[in-house]
Amino acid sequence: GQQLNQSPQSMFIQEGEDVSMNCTSSSIFNTWLWYKQDPGEGPVLLIALYKAGELTSNGRLTAQFGITRKDSFLNISASIPSDVGIYFCAGPGTASKLTFGTGTRLQVTL
Amino acid sequence: KAGVTQTPRYLIKTRGQQVTLSCSPISGHRSVSWYQQTPGQGLQFLFEYFSETQRNKGNFPGRFSGRQFSNSRSEMNVSTLELGDSALYLCASSLALGRDYGYTFGSGTRLTVV
Repeated sequence: GQQLNQSPQSMFIQEGEDVSMNCTSSSIFNTWLWYKQDPGEGPVLLIALYKAGELTSNGRLTAQFGITRKDSFLNISASIPSDVGIYFCAGPGTASKLTFGTGTRLQVTL
Repeated sequence: KAGVTQTPRYLIKTRGQQVTLSCSPISGHRSVSWYQQTPGQGLQFLFEYFSETQRNKGNFPGRFSGRQFSNSRSEMNVSTLELGDSALYLCASSLALGRDYGYTFGSGTRLTVV
């Protein structure tokens, strides 16, 4: 079945640094979604991408839909402590509504 | 507007028992999906309901079932609980099926099976 692999698995960064993470798929996706999950809460949609090559921003967050349609990237600029959490990529699966990536855990140190 | 409400937030059950979880979607949302989240398997799709009908189903055994009521509220049931069913169960709602992927998730129900 479809799999979404995210890297890195986890990262420690200092406040103020920029962050980059990516998501790769074994098959083509027509939609890429990026979610953030805080401890004890459900995922919250950050950015949705619907077209290959598309670059979309949401405040300090920027995501790109890879031109091969098999990958997507999320960048966070000037990280702050509230950026801590787990970031998931997701896309419409075959038998499922959404297939989620393995997640990237972000921890920010002051 | 009120978000997606899941009850209860926490639940402890014994192996072999059954459990029912509830989800109230955002007002006006007619699609409700359920996901299971575990450290080992991540987020996995269980099923989706729209207009009281199951529209999609993930790869889970028949012990997992659900339903949707005319007011769009949904329940999922797990019978004959196993230790491996311990997980965070998340409900998500959206306006409709199809390309509208504006899913809003609830805070989840943390189920522990002992």
